[in-house]
Amino acid sequence: DGGITQSPKYLFRKEGQNVTLSCEQNLNHDAMYWYRQDPGQGLRLIYYSQIVNDFQKGDIAEGYSVSREKKESFPLTVTSAQKNPTAFYLCASSEGGSYNEQFFGPGTRLTVL
Amino acid sequence: KQEVTQIPAALSVPEGENLVLNCSFTDSAIYNLQWFRQDPGKGLTSLLLIQSSQREQTSGRLNASLDKSSGRSTLYIAASQPGDSATYLCAVRPDPQETSGSRLTFGEGTQLTVNP
Repeated sequence: DGGITQSPKYLFRKEGQNVTLSCEQNLNHDAMYWYRQDPGQGLRLIYYSQIVNDFQKGDIAEGYSVSREKKESFPLTVTSAQKNPTAFYLCASSEGGSYNEQFFGPGTRLTVL
Repeated sequence: KQEVTQIPAALSVPEGENLVLNCSFTDSAIYNLQWFRQDPGKGLTSLLLIQSSQREQTSGRLNASLDKSSGRSTLYIAASQPGDSATYLCAVRPDPQETSGSRLTFGEGTQLTVNP
């Protein structure tokens, strides 16, 4: 059963804590992405990776970090430096280059208490 | 900088009605345009992808058109059903020959409610 999985579905964090969101895909896609979605707004790109061991900042990378040690995994860490981390986080992947159709995971809702 | 606008922000229609969702973009140098559906609290489901050289794409009751020169795309939904209720987002990808980078720029979405 191919697809993109994100875990956990809901995540609560205290202020000042780092937290890591998981994204795994078994589609054999080269490119992976992290987006943030706030109520009433479109998606904004945080980080993306076109190949293993390489990634680039998106439009709102401050306060976030990523790694791409394996093709199928692209975890996102929300650090304490992120001023307003409460949001819905979406992971996506695409085959080959990033000009191809993107497929999305089910999302993780992060709430900072 | 590319900007994508979707009008209306919300739409409520009776079941069975045909409807059109609009998407406009400011920079016509695009590689392709993608329409997505998002159910509340869920991820995005890709509906249709139109390459810049294409005029339209069809999938079942959905038809998406693209007028690249005028910076517009429409998503036509025929014979709407309550199960079509969701938020519909469009996103554009820049033309690599004219713009650096390949990131998608998303609109804010149209929230559709189809009433039984």
